[in-house]
Amino acid sequence: GAVVSQHPSRVICKSGTSVKIECRSLDFQATTMFWYRQFPKQSLMLMATSNEGSKATYEQGVEKDKFLINHASLTLSTLTVTSAHPEDSSFYICSAREGGSRGNEQFFGPGTRLTVL
Amino acid sequence: SQKIEQNSEALNIQEGKTATLTCNYTNYSPAYLQWYRQDPGRGPVFLLLIRENEKEKRKERLKVTFDTTLKQSLFHITASQPADSATYLCALASGTGRRALTFGSGTRLQVQP
Repeated sequence: GAVVSQHPSRVICKSGTSVKIECRSLDFQATTMFWYRQFPKQSLMLMATSNEGSKATYEQGVEKDKFLINHASLTLSTLTVTSAHPEDSSFYICSAREGGSRGNEQFFGPGTRLTVL
Repeated sequence: SQKIEQNSEALNIQEGKTATLTCNYTNYSPAYLQWYRQDPGRGPVFLLLIRENEKEKRKERLKVTFDTTLKQSLFHITASQPADSATYLCALASGTGRRALTFGSGTRLQVQP
């Protein structure tokens, strides 16, 4: 149980285009989903927190107009990187938290490797 | 500012030995601490969670200790195997609010056969 999927696993796009990444909790309902970014040989850095049906909370330094997050249902959150630039190339990872008695555990997706040319 | 430190140097040990990884933190009062395993190009996989009022937690060959006075957690893998080779991340969370995790930079473990 507690499986989180991400799609796509890898994407290459041209500079200036937008890319959407999906994060799904497959066998549980996620009250909260988190989006992280990881650069090579660095740790995961939290970008934003999203709760179903409400606006995402962004970490300091993360542009909300550039990284659009939509948490439309209890099993799906999307991250759209708008007008992507090469410096946005990174490994994007989502996690989901069920809440309730299992609320402290976060289950991570397999990640999406974004390369912007 | 809040800081989580893990030994950035890789830890190399022989198969069968116990691996011990360290996580130190400053300017933080976490409600709980978690350890994750991450393989190259993959998302982290949850291993263990230990709360602020717990001293030790075990799961099969894994053991975690949590000393809130020293602001330190130790992660042990007993009878290590080459398959245990990976990067291990510690993460802290507050007990209130969004409960977002703050990650350390991870320590790479290499178990030699």
